[in-house]
This record gives sequence, structure tokens and C-alpha cells, in this order.
Amino acid sequence: TQLLEQSPQFLSIQEGENLTVYCNSSSVFSSLQWYRQEPGEGPVLLVTVVTGGEVKKLKRLTFQFGDARKDSSLHITAAQPGDTGLYLCAGGPNFGNEKLTFGTGTRLTIIP
Amino acid sequence: DAGVIQSPRHEVTEMGQEVTLRCKLISGHNSLFWYRQTMMRGLELLIYFNNNVPIDDSGMPEDRFSAKMPNASFSTLKIQPSEPRDSAVYFCASSFSGAGNTDTQYFGPGTRLTVL
Repeated sequence: TQLLEQSPQFLSIQEGENLTVYCNSSSVFSSLQWYRQEPGEGPVLLVTVVTGGEVKKLKRLTFQFGDARKDSSLHITAAQPGDTGLYLCAGGPNFGNEKLTFGTGTRLTIIP
Repeated sequence: DAGVIQSPRHEVTEMGQEVTLRCKLISGHNSLFWYRQTMMRGLELLIYFNNNVPIDDSGMPEDRFSAKMPNASFSTLKIQPSEPRDSAVYFCASSFSGAGNTDTQYFGPGTRLTVL
């Protein structure tokens, strides 16, 4: 069974601060996705990374896929209250295979 | 375009009763996923279909759970009989599966199930 561990599990910081969330596994994934889920809603895809070492930026969010494709990180610069939510990473075992393994999640709260 | 539609949004039932959750895919999508989310276990894939055919049901907890796709745009997840440990938020998601692409799954708003 492939497992994705996310850390920290909970994070509460002040508006304007920077933060990094981690997603780690002992398994290799061909692709890694990050989702954000708000209360009462389903997860929404933020980004997909497919190449080891790949870095993608989405405004104040920076996503990186580890060189060995076993881990990933999400860095948020100057966090805002709108960034509050549950962040989930999800790994795809084979390119084009639709089955995703979701991580344990990081619940982020940005305090105004 | 409408997103993935799930009904009901909330369901409260008593142990032993049958529960049916419904999902309408995004028009044009050909893959359908059922997930269950709890605080303890996170988001777990129960089953997924491609072109109406079940591809992987290894996540279905036990025989009390069954899922169907009577047509290309609609699916049901049935629990019979329901138990308190089935209480969770159930999500369905749809995607378009095409050759060579990493598919984006679009999630519905979920059904919050409480079994008393």
C-alpha cells in the first residue's frame, strides 16, 4: 500500500507569514497533485507536477516535486486568510493511471 | 457548465437502514470516482469506473457497499444495511480520461452521512 504522509498535520500562523507544507512517501509516484479543500466543499485541484525536481508557481504558492519523485512541498509566501483550508497531496502511481492515493492532509489556518 | 452534482447533501439514518447516494458527472466526462472522508482515515478511494465499467473496487469496505453506473452520466453508491461506522462525508469526482494526459478530477460537494 502506498502511503503519503503530510506534515504538519495542523498549522496556524499570522497573516503575512510564510509557510511550507510537506508530503512524503517511501514510494515513487509518476505524478503528484495538490488540492485545497474548504469546509463543506470537495477538494479542488491546485497543481500537478510530473517531473522529478519540477517547480511550479501559482501566484504566492510554490510547489516542488522531489528529485526522486517520492516527496513534494508546498510553500506559501505572505499567507492570507483566503489560504485557510485543508491541503491534500495526491500521488498517481502510473502516468495516465487514474487512481490517486491521497495524503493525510494539512489543516491550515491563517489568522488575520 | 454545472459541476459534479451530488444528492442528498445531508443524510441522517438509523442503523440497519438502506442508504443511496447519487452522483451526476460533468457532461463529457467518462470516469467516475467514489471517495469517503473521515477525520481518522482521511480521503479514501472506494471505487472508480471508466466508461461505465468498474475498474478498481478494492477500496469498497465490504459487501454492504455497492456502486453502479446505470448510464454514462449517473452513479449510485448504496449501503445496505448501514452501520454507525459508515458515518462520513462521501464524495464523487469525475474526470475525462484521454490518452497521454494526467487527468484532473473534479469533486462534488459531498454527502454528509450520519448513521445513528
